[in-house]
Amino acid sequence: GAVVSQHPSRVICKSGTSVKIECRSLDFQATTMFWYRQFPKQSLMLMATSNEGSKATYEQGVEKDKFLINHASLTLSTLTVTSAHPEDSSFYICSARSDRENTEAFFGQGTRLTVV
Amino acid sequence: AQSVTQPDIHITVSEGASLELRCNYSYGATPYLFWYVQSPGQGLQLLLKYFSGDTLVQGIKGFEAEFKRSQSSFNLRKPSVHWSDAAEYFCAVTGGSYIPTFGRGTSLIVHP
Repeated sequence: GAVVSQHPSRVICKSGTSVKIECRSLDFQATTMFWYRQFPKQSLMLMATSNEGSKATYEQGVEKDKFLINHASLTLSTLTVTSAHPEDSSFYICSARSDRENTEAFFGQGTRLTVV
Repeated sequence: AQSVTQPDIHITVSEGASLELRCNYSYGATPYLFWYVQSPGQGLQLLLKYFSGDTLVQGIKGFEAEFKRSQSSFNLRKPSVHWSDAAEYFCAVTGGSYIPTFGRGTSLIVHP
């Protein structure tokens, strides 16, 4: 299957700083990328959907000014957690799919964010 | 809107025993269905998927799942569980929007 690389896998930052997480599709063009947040022992909660070259569509309750998503190319999307606070600590997972392929989305390995 | 229900939060089986994880979905048309496995601190690995055709789908690691339209189900099965199968399992559905919607997950515990 196609490969999605997410970086970093773990990050610790101080409260009030910003953190950027990258999601790259390594061997296909990702026309759509999804960002999920996962709390311990819980399912994946969709935060936003981004299409290359356009603004992300955020799910209800997700602060777009807090979680900045950029999908500037067909192989890269970034999630920036701005002015991070301890409650933003979580596991963030990206996934990507191509409109040219079938409907399957491929997942990155996730980023564990800890805000101290 | 589409939704997925995984009624079992935890399942405990003995190594070598058979396994069935339940998944029910809600979607107005023919769904695309997936099962993923997640080890602690890791991303999701696709076990198998159903798009169309044969309703019994074979996946990796000896897993299979059967799509039953009349029951709106897509249960995951394995005839003999290994200790390394202990993980979190997620069922997911996509429809016309191609946005995956996940169930809450089932935690599989394997006793030696």
